[in-house]
Amino acid sequence: DSGVTQTPKHLITATGQRVTLRCSPRSGDLSVYWYQQSLDQGLQFLIQYYNGEERAKGNILERFSAQQFPDLHSELNLSSLELGDSALYFCASSAPDRGNHNEQFFGPGTRLTVL
Amino acid sequence: SQKIEQNSEALNIQEGKTATLTCNYTNYSPAYLQWYRQDPGRGPVFLLLIRENEKEKRKERLKVTFDTTLKQSLFHITASQPADSATYLCAFGGSYIPTFGRGTSLIVHP
Repeated sequence: DSGVTQTPKHLITATGQRVTLRCSPRSGDLSVYWYQQSLDQGLQFLIQYYNGEERAKGNILERFSAQQFPDLHSELNLSSLELGDSALYFCASSAPDRGNHNEQFFGPGTRLTVL
Repeated sequence: SQKIEQNSEALNIQEGKTATLTCNYTNYSPAYLQWYRQDPGRGPVFLLLIRENEKEKRKERLKVTFDTTLKQSLFHITASQPADSATYLCAFGGSYIPTFGRGTSLIVHP
């Protein structure tokens, strides 16, 4: 158990809908990362937050947004969903004193299926 | 853009042998490389980190090397066991954007 929690575990929805994925980092970790993993793309970095502020942005679509709250949990919002958004979405956290993108602790993931 | 390449073909080996996985990178000089293990449907698990000034790092049956001239890291599992079967990912460290390779699947046959 990495100490990172993600909810829900599975999500099935229809095209055009909007969903919210939630992540709680390990106790004490200030950085939260979001990744998308599909069979043909591998693990793709979406966005990183550090202590409530956006720190780095990867290949995140405009339809997607995220935020980190004062209690450090984070939410990833996916809107106008398309079939191609079906994937595993992982959240990861890392310790605050370890520099950029050091050892990351991954959650169990949310499997999103868009029908 | 910076890239990490790992062999997309699965590596099949017999139990007890040493598995060697390769990670090559281009267009970047990472301060360190990390290796993760991922089981199907689960999140990656951190295994080892090696810095650019380290040639080799060991942890139990695992060994990682880092050759900045060849722009390559090798990941070895000695005395491999069927329980080592998983996908192994390598990742840049120290860059602005976390970058993971697509991973190499290792299958250890009893």
